[in-house]
Amino acid sequence: AQKVTQAQTEISVVEKEDVTLDCVYETRDTTYYLFWYKQPPSGELVFLIRRNSFDEQNEISGRYSWNFQKSTSSFNFTITASQVVDSAVYFCAPMDSNYQLIWGAGTKLIIKP
Amino acid sequence: GAGVSQSPSNKVTEKGKDVELRCDPISGHTALYWYRQSLGQGLEFLIYFQGNSAPDKSGLPSDRFSAERTGGSVSTLTIQRTQQEDSAVYLCASSLEFGGAETQYFGPGTRLLVL
Repeated sequence: AQKVTQAQTEISVVEKEDVTLDCVYETRDTTYYLFWYKQPPSGELVFLIRRNSFDEQNEISGRYSWNFQKSTSSFNFTITASQVVDSAVYFCAPMDSNYQLIWGAGTKLIIKP
Repeated sequence: GAGVSQSPSNKVTEKGKDVELRCDPISGHTALYWYRQSLGQGLEFLIYFQGNSAPDKSGLPSDRFSAERTGGSVSTLTIQRTQQEDSAVYLCASSLEFGGAETQYFGPGTRLLVL
């Protein structure tokens, strides 16, 4: 079965600092998908990115970037020049072979002004 | 277009009462999912629909929970004889279809408090 570990329960940084959120997953599948979602204080889960296991290229979208390392089963997420609006709980969610998302407890990110 | 909508946004009920939670998916999305999120926790999968069919109901916590979807659109999650441990945020999501690693898009949730 798939499993996800987000070891950082809570991270607090000052605005404009860079921050990296770690995600390590376990899977026996050779083909799989990984997702990141953001849950701001309003509570609504916001989709950020979907990555398949065939594509190990890092991805950058504005201030966000993702580092996928299949060899270490990690899919880390970096925010550069953080802003207060980035404060949220971030979830890394692998998808298992039954197309179910596997959810960890998430990482709470606090950006202080 | 419009996103996933859920109603009510908040619900306070007394222990033992029945509640109905509603989810309206994104237009054209055939798959619909229900999750539960307790305070400070990740999401617990409850059930999914492909069209009007729910192939796997094993995620429902007890037989007090049921869900239906009619017309391939709106879904209702019903909790009978609510208990205090049912207090949580109930989230609904939809995707174009089930399978194929389609992205799930979430609604704002219904915050249920059982007194």
